[in-house]
Amino acid sequence: NAGVTQTPKFQVLKTGQSMTLQCAQDMNHEYMSWYRQDPGMGLRLIHYSVGAGITDQGEVPNGYNVSRSTTEDFPLRLLSAAPSQTSVYFCASKLQGALNTGELFFGEGSRLTVL
Amino acid sequence: AQSVAQPEDQVNVAEGNPLTVKCTYSVSGNPYLFWYVQYPNRGLQFLLKYITGDNLVKGSYGFEAEFNKSQTSFHLKKPSALVSDSALYFCAVRDTGSARQLTFGSGTQLTVLP
Repeated sequence: NAGVTQTPKFQVLKTGQSMTLQCAQDMNHEYMSWYRQDPGMGLRLIHYSVGAGITDQGEVPNGYNVSRSTTEDFPLRLLSAAPSQTSVYFCASKLQGALNTGELFFGEGSRLTVL
Repeated sequence: AQSVAQPEDQVNVAEGNPLTVKCTYSVSGNPYLFWYVQYPNRGLQFLLKYITGDNLVKGSYGFEAEFNKSQTSFHLKKPSALVSDSALYFCAVRDTGSARQLTFGSGTQLTVLP
């Protein structure tokens, strides 16, 4: 079982560059989300989606875009990278509705450095 | 608004001793509570959850947690720590009355000393 797959695992960008972090899950989960992890701050929600064609903002959405064209994929786009976006990014998914028991399934993370 | 606090950044315990990682929460309705573990350079893994029912919840790898509504706490415990338990532990809460999303604590680094 692949679960939640994130690519790339590591990326270095220069300020102002754009890039997309990819996330795919093969568990037919309706809910997908992106978090960033910074030392001493835990995980903060960037954007989430409860199904194809539906996205919403989390706690720290500025500077990031998402789309959800399929159930499986939920890419995160950095439009113009800034040093403050240096972080480890995690994609997570779970079931929705009556089957939702709450626990998230996480990818392995993508470590982004913005110079 | 919902929030969760992990008051200890670091917990050290000797192998074979009991361990406790503390978590307190704040919600306006009833809470769903979770513990996750993160090993170095890995994603978070689900350990256990409290939804309703028995206040003592048992999870993976011999961990358990006790839901205490009056103290708004959900401390993670294990009777006998292993060196392999050394990792970063996160508590998370969701307010069933008002929120769809999980809020995570800042994490507690557990080190089990041989």
